[in-house]
Amino acid sequence: DVKVTQSSRYLVKRTGEKVFLECVQDMDHENMFWYRQDPGLGLRLIYFSYDVKMKEKGDIPEGYSVSREKKERFSLILESASTNQTSMYLCASSLRLGLETQYFGPGTRLLVL
Amino acid sequence: QKEVEQDPGPLSVPEGAIVSLNCTYSNSAFQYFMWYRQYSRKGPELLMYTYSSGNKEDGRFTAQVDKSSKYISLFIRDSQPSDSATYLCAMKEGDSWGKLQFGAGTQVVVTP
Repeated sequence: DVKVTQSSRYLVKRTGEKVFLECVQDMDHENMFWYRQDPGLGLRLIYFSYDVKMKEKGDIPEGYSVSREKKERFSLILESASTNQTSMYLCASSLRLGLETQYFGPGTRLLVL
Repeated sequence: QKEVEQDPGPLSVPEGAIVSLNCTYSNSAFQYFMWYRQYSRKGPELLMYTYSSGNKEDGRFTAQVDKSSKYISLFIRDSQPSDSATYLCAMKEGDSWGKLQFGAGTQVVVTP
């Protein structure tokens, strides 16, 4: 079974803090994704990566950056957290581009005060 | 206007009933259609995957795609309380890389 793990289930941070969310997949997948999920808005793509050190912006990249130094690990960084970044953050991976099956982690619920 | 529209519910049905879920979309280039199930406090998991138009059946689940109407459906027969979850539709254009567009999700509650 594909396993995607996220470093934290719940996080509480203060406005202006730098926040790191980590994601690890154990199936040698090429692609990794970061989404945020908000009520009524569904999942929105923040960034994705199709290879080590490669990244592409999604629909809502503003205020976020990412890092992929190893194939299995994809980090989402909130450079200066703001209250409007309070959300559920979901990481996903897929074997390669063109295959649509994305496997999701359990999510990190982030609260920014 | 969102590219993918999905009624958020909640949709409450008695155990054993048929659950009917649907999404409409505006982008005629979508060719891949998926349904994900998300339990509370968990990440989404792929339930059904369909390419282009037609029906697909997997156990109690049936997915239908009507590209002419830009409408997809998911039916759950003999619903169980364990089917209580949020169901998200997702779709993608037919090129080699096209990001998934998700609906907002429909919450389903199956009461014993």
